[in-house]
Amino acid sequence: DAGVTQSPTHLIKTRGQQVTLRCSPKSGHDTVSWYQQALGQGPQFIFQYYEEEERQRGNFPDRFSGHQFPNYSSELNVNALLLGDSALYLCASSLGPAAFFGPGTRLTVL
Amino acid sequence: AQSVSQHNHHVILSEAASLELGCNYSYGGTVNLFWYVQYPGQHLQLLLKYFSGDPLVKGIKGFEAEFIKSKFSFNLRKPSVQWSDTAEYFCAVNGGYNKLIFGAGTRLAVHP
Repeated sequence: DAGVTQSPTHLIKTRGQQVTLRCSPKSGHDTVSWYQQALGQGPQFIFQYYEEEERQRGNFPDRFSGHQFPNYSSELNVNALLLGDSALYLCASSLGPAAFFGPGTRLTVL
Repeated sequence: AQSVSQHNHHVILSEAASLELGCNYSYGGTVNLFWYVQYPGQHLQLLLKYFSGDPLVKGIKGFEAEFIKSKFSFNLRKPSVQWSDTAEYFCAVNGGYNKLIFGAGTRLAVHP
């Protein structure tokens, strides 16, 4: 049983560009959440998708948007990238209260 | 506001020493608490969780944690650490609809 997978592993972008990150949840999980983990910090909640709708959102600007597909996979889009968006982006899937995390996408903004 | 505070940012221990990592939370709803571990080069893994019932919960690899409601704490313990326990440890609380609020993490280094 594959766990949570994310692509790509690493990404380098320049300021002002747009990026799309992808996540496939653990088999049977219907809820996908995205987190941003800056260097030396704990993960910060960005938003959560359930039944293809954004159910909750953290304190992130509208430049961060997402989508969930009928097969429960999800995308995170970030527009107008800033240097401060450089971080590890984690996807977590869940069916109940416990979340399972993917390996993350390391985004570097130059 | 919902928050999680981890008291120690860096801990250095020798093998066989005992470990206790502090975690305090601030959340007014029904509490689900978690400890996650991130080994070097690996992704976040669930170490243990508390939902209800016995406040002393046992996790993988000999770790345990105690929920003390009156102190809003959920400290992680291990009687005897090993070099392989070197990792970063994150405490988290469920902030509603399975949204996790994490602490800043504690980096543990175990020397042989």
